[in-house]
Amino acid sequence: DAKTTQPPSMDCAEGRAANLPCNHSTISGNEYVYWYRQIHSQGPQYIIHGLKNNETNEMASLIITEDRKSSTLILPHATLRDTAVYYCIVSLGGSQGNLIFGKGTKLSVKP
Amino acid sequence: DTGVSQDPRHKITKRGQNVTFRCDPISEHNRLYWYRQTLGQGPEFLTYFQNEAQLEKSRLLSDRFSAERPKGSFSTLEIQRTEQGDSAMYLCASSFGQHGNTIYFGEGSWLTVV
Repeated sequence: DAKTTQPPSMDCAEGRAANLPCNHSTISGNEYVYWYRQIHSQGPQYIIHGLKNNETNEMASLIITEDRKSSTLILPHATLRDTAVYYCIVSLGGSQGNLIFGKGTKLSVKP
Repeated sequence: DTGVSQDPRHKITKRGQNVTFRCDPISEHNRLYWYRQTLGQGPEFLTYFQNEAQLEKSRLLSDRFSAERPKGSFSTLEIQRTEQGDSAMYLCASSFGQHGNTIYFGEGSWLTVV
C-alpha cells in the first residue's frame, strides 16, 4: 500500500499558484519525499524531491513540515499544460528497489 | 535525447502471441526498473536490475513474464502467451543505485491484446 495520502482531485485557475498537499505520517527518517506527475498517456515525469529542507527548482517548490509528516508541492504559476495526475511518494530513492505509487491527485488547471 | 528510451511505443497483438519490449536506460545508470500501469491506476512495480543482476521481482510478474539485462545496459521484457489482461502500459525507469537519487521514467510501451 502507498505510504502517502493525497486528495483525489483539485482545480486551479490558470496563472494562479497550485498547492498540492500530501500526508506521509509514517515516513522514516531516511526516506525522501518525491513528486512525479503524469500527463495522459505519458510516463511519469520527475518534478522534485526533498528530505528535510524545503526545495525549489525550475518546475516547482516543495515545502516539508518540520515533523516531516506532510508536504506541499507548489506550482507557482499554473498553466493549462500542468493539468496532470500528481503523485507524492516516499522512498529511499535509487537505493530502494521500487517506488510505490498511490492514486495521486488529478490537478485540473482551468482558463 | 538522453532520457530513458522504450521501444516499441505501441504494440497490438493477438491473444496467445509473444511480445518483447526494449528499454535503453540513461547512460551509466546501474539500476533499471520495469513497471506496469493499467487505466486509472498508478504504476505498479514489476522488477528491477542492478547492472545485469535481477534483484527483485513482484508477485505481478507471472511465469509468462521474463526480463533480462544481459550486459547491464539495455533490458528486454518479454511476455509469452499474451492474455487480454496483459493490456497495459509497460514503463521502464533507471537510476543510480544510491540513496536519494532520482528514478527517471521512459514514455512507456502500450500493449493491447486483442
